[in-house]
Amino acid sequence: SSELTQDPAVSVALGQTVRITCQGDSLRSYYASWYQQKPGQAPVLIIYGKNNRPSGIPDRFSGSSSGNTASLTITGAQAEDEADYYCNSRDSSGNLWVFGGGTKLTVL
Amino acid sequence: EVQLVESGGGLVKPGGSLRLSCAASGFTFSSYSMNWVRQAPGKGLEWVSSISSGSSYIYYADSVKGRFTISRDNAKNSLYLQMNSLRAEDTAVYYCARDREIVVDYWGQGTLVTVSS
Repeated sequence: SSELTQDPAVSVALGQTVRITCQGDSLRSYYASWYQQKPGQAPVLIIYGKNNRPSGIPDRFSGSSSGNTASLTITGAQAEDEADYYCNSRDSSGNLWVFGGGTKLTVL
Repeated sequence: EVQLVESGGGLVKPGGSLRLSCAASGFTFSSYSMNWVRQAPGKGLEWVSSISSGSSYIYYADSVKGRFTISRDNAKNSLYLQMNSLRAEDTAVYYCARDREIVVDYWGQGTLVTVSS
């Protein structure tokens, strides 16, 4: 199986731009998805594929990928973006799913 | 509207068993693979198991292989997770989630399983 590595915590000033990264060998073959999770709530999909946002997700969220690293960028972070963010992709076999350890985003 | 509603969680002693259910609505359940994903208190997300639309392909995380069994009933739009030989480290919120091959898109609200004596 594969592993996805995320920084445990990141902070950003209100209105500024922040990038959250996810590293793993499987990302050379598969796109990452990104989920936002607020306390006591289920994860919500915010980015998938090359850079797709489900309906209702603000366009300040975007995704990109290079080599073994996927990135989630929030352009103009809002107070309501304070949450845990998880990346996920297929593992190298393509049969299983793997999640990153999560990044806690603090908006200052 | 896609809805996934888990049930069956609760308190169980180590070594015990529990069966989780997930009722799906708002989409053609029989056309999608489904997953169970869990989250231990204060921890990250951990994929547990997947089942294909027709139950032909089933996969488990190493941490639950041989103890958990995933199944589905497409006539009842329901997903199940039979959990045996439960351990303290299985304590978590268990989420049912829809699989679109390239992405796990919709999640239920989860059901809490606590394994404790």
